[in-house]
Amino acid sequence: DAGVTQSPTHLIKTRGQQVTLRCSPKSGHDTVSWYQQALGQGPQFIFQYYEEEERQRGNFPDRFSGHQFPNYSSELNVNALLLGDSALYLCASRRGQGFYGYTFGSGTRLTVV
Amino acid sequence: AQSVTQLDSQVPVFEEAPVELRCNYSSSVSVYLFWYVQYPNQGLQLLLKYLSGSTLVKGINGFEAEFNKSQTSFHLRKPSVHISDTAEYFCAVIYPGGDMRFGAGTRLTVKP
Repeated sequence: DAGVTQSPTHLIKTRGQQVTLRCSPKSGHDTVSWYQQALGQGPQFIFQYYEEEERQRGNFPDRFSGHQFPNYSSELNVNALLLGDSALYLCASRRGQGFYGYTFGSGTRLTVV
Repeated sequence: AQSVTQLDSQVPVFEEAPVELRCNYSSSVSVYLFWYVQYPNQGLQLLLKYLSGSTLVKGINGFEAEFNKSQTSFHLRKPSVHISDTAEYFCAVIYPGGDMRFGAGTRLTVKP
């Protein structure tokens, strides 16, 4: 049973560029959340998608946007990249809106130069 | 304000010794509590969770945690650690109507 799959695993972008990160949730899961984990810090909640809609959002600027597709997969888009956007981006999935804990992917390491 | 505080950023301990990683959260309402472990260059793995019921929760790899509502704490314990337990540990809380919020993490280093 595949867990949460994220692509790519590593990415280097130049300041000002745009990036798209992808996530396939665990089989049977339909809710996807995205987190940013800066080096040496805990994950920070970006937003959550359920039924193809953004349901909740953390304290992140509008440069961060997302999408969920009918097959429950999701994308995270970041525009006008800043050096401070360099981080590990984690995708997590769960079934419905229950509180059973998330299954996390291994993340995408984004480096902005 | 909703916050999760892990009281120790680093905890060094010798192999086979007991360990406690401390977590406090701010809330006047019921919350759901979790502990995750992160090994280098990997995602987060769920160790255990408290949703309701018994305040002593047992998880994987011999870890357990105790929910203390009056002290708003959810400390993680293991009676005897192994070298392989060396990792970063995160306490997380789900507040009503919200998504999961994490503490800053505690780096557990087990020495031989």
